[in-house]
Amino acid sequence: DQQVKQNSPSLSVQEGRISILNCDYTNSMFDYFLWYKKYPAEGPTFLISISSIKDKNEDGRFTVFLNKSAKHLSLHIVPSQPGDSAVYFCAASAVEGAQKLVFGQGTRLTINP
Amino acid sequence: DTAVSQTPKYLVTQMGNDKSIKCEQNLGHDTMYWYKQDSKKFLKIMFSYNNKELIINETVPNRFSPKSPDKAHLNLHINSLELGDSAVYFCASSQDYWQPQHFGDGTRLSIL
Repeated sequence: DQQVKQNSPSLSVQEGRISILNCDYTNSMFDYFLWYKKYPAEGPTFLISISSIKDKNEDGRFTVFLNKSAKHLSLHIVPSQPGDSAVYFCAASAVEGAQKLVFGQGTRLTINP
Repeated sequence: DTAVSQTPKYLVTQMGNDKSIKCEQNLGHDTMYWYKQDSKKFLKIMFSYNNKELIINETVPNRFSPKSPDKAHLNLHINSLELGDSAVYFCASSQDYWQPQHFGDGTRLSIL
């Protein structure tokens, strides 16, 4: 019963190109979505978020897109840099259970020089 | 000046023992959380506290008991440790429940 899924366990991208990480969810009550980045032996670090009233949110090189009808969100990183190599987690919450973040299993992004 | 700090970073112990993991945040946040990351890498919430009050208890065995002496601290005590408790445990905090959470670096618990 995994409500948030990241179907790609890993992704490899050339430095300077665009990285696209995908996330699907099943619970239509989710209305707040976040992306976290995690380096080995460290905790996840908040990257960017989007609420369900928007379909796009941009912060520097990072853009999150939300397609509510498809229950799909994606994180675009452009241009990709070596320091972006990390595990990226998608997370979602609903107003009713707003203190409860449901995480995907993560996608390991590797940026190749 | 670590924002969310957990101790210890590593914990190796025998089955049946009782152990505690401590968490402190210096961000002035009102809400704190414990998460478990299992072998499949899923991060799952265990507990959340808001101003020392338990808000979420996510069907965790009652061998796990969180304690919040003040809103800057949320400790996790585990009784009668079992092999399945081996995981990485993350503490987190947020200003309010709709704000992004800040995570500690995790405690890797290994049960022999």
